[in-house]
Amino acid sequence: AQSVAQPEDQVNVAEGNPLTVKCTYSVSGNPYLFWYVQYPNRGLQFLLKYITGDNLVKGSYGFEAEFNKSQTSFHLKKPSALVSDSALYFCAVFTGTASKLTFGTGTRLQVTL
Amino acid sequence: DTEVTQTPKHLVMGMTNKKSLKCEQHMGHRAMYWYKQKAKKPPELMFVYSYEKLSINESVPSRFSPECPNSSLLNLHLHALQPEDSALYLCASSQEMWGGPQETQYFGPGTRLLVL
Repeated sequence: AQSVAQPEDQVNVAEGNPLTVKCTYSVSGNPYLFWYVQYPNRGLQFLLKYITGDNLVKGSYGFEAEFNKSQTSFHLKKPSALVSDSALYFCAVFTGTASKLTFGTGTRLQVTL
Repeated sequence: DTEVTQTPKHLVMGMTNKKSLKCEQHMGHRAMYWYKQKAKKPPELMFVYSYEKLSINESVPSRFSPECPNSSLLNLHLHALQPEDSALYLCASSQEMWGGPQETQYFGPGTRLLVL
């Protein structure tokens, strides 16, 4: 079965510092991976996705993610965190041919001054 | 424009009530989805419509009844719900259902439902 794991429930970062939110995957076949962000009382916003090609994927709001096949990881990164980045981040894997997304358990990012 | 709208934003209903959630998109997408999200949990897929036809039902109880009256609208009719059905209900859409992983799903803001 296709699945993703987010090992950290919460990540705390000071504003201006780089941030990393971790995601590992377990898939049979080619992995198709996504990152979404959810602000309080809001729906999910698409950040970026990896389908094929370059291992470094650039997305919205200055976020990027690095696909690492040998480590089966797809970590979300940003060079300089902002307080406004504080939110819940979900990694997801595309499952099968039915456009079905399976989400990880989510990581809460807290950026402080 | 990647906007999916949902109404109402909040809904409180009793276990004997009948209510409906509404979702709308004007991006020309032909696949629409309902997800349920409990507090501090990831979204879970409930239904998928493709070209206004129900394609996936993730074994959802019959007290939830989806409807896709046209390509832009998706409804979720609620009847005889239980308190454990209280959750954030998210709608999403994508260009196609069978288009593969290239098809990004765009989510609405959700309806927060409380069943008393």
